[in-house]
Amino acid sequence: AQTVTQSQPEMSVQEAETVTLSCTYDTSESDYYLFWYKQPPSRQMILVIRQEAYKQQNATENRFSVNFQKAAKSFSLKISDSQLGDAAMYFCAYRTYDKVIFGPGTSLSVIP
Amino acid sequence: DSGVTQTPKHLITATGQRVTLRCSPRSGDLSVYWYQQSLDQGLQFLIHYYNGEERAKGNILERFSAQQFPDLHSELNLSSLELGDSALYFCASSPGGQPNEKLFFGSGTQLSVL
Repeated sequence: AQTVTQSQPEMSVQEAETVTLSCTYDTSESDYYLFWYKQPPSRQMILVIRQEAYKQQNATENRFSVNFQKAAKSFSLKISDSQLGDAAMYFCAYRTYDKVIFGPGTSLSVIP
Repeated sequence: DSGVTQTPKHLITATGQRVTLRCSPRSGDLSVYWYQQSLDQGLQFLIHYYNGEERAKGNILERFSAQQFPDLHSELNLSSLELGDSALYFCASSPGGQPNEKLFFGSGTQLSVL
């Protein structure tokens, strides 16, 4: 079975500080991608970052970066210099040719 | 604007009724995914259609069905509705079925079953 686990239902971070959100997944597939999506209060889903399973180099998008540990099936998201606009639900997702499976989400609060 | 259109935005109905949710994917996108998001929950994968054919099923109830039409729009049919079916239903599309493609999400249909 393909599953995605996010063990932190809620996290908080001070503005301008760094926070790391955890994600683990379970799969027997070899060809897949991993994604982080953000869902602000508007409930619109927004892509934050993606990572190819074949690439050892961790993906980076501005203040967002991932720590991809393939052997451990771990895919954490680091947000640097946190901003008030980063407050949202964050979902880790795993994609194959057939399915895109999302984790349960982590609610991130940013404290001014 | 993601380019994915979902109608209606809001739907209020009673238990036992049947409703149809509609999704128009981005122009040219062949893949359509349906998700259910209950209050404060994650996105539960329901079903994936690719170019008119069912490609994968998730935790979709037997009371629910979907199809993708030749013009690539998709409909999700929910019947014998129960209170627990109240949720935000998302449709998402992508160009094909490649794992590297991001999903483009619609703004969702909020279903309330009273």
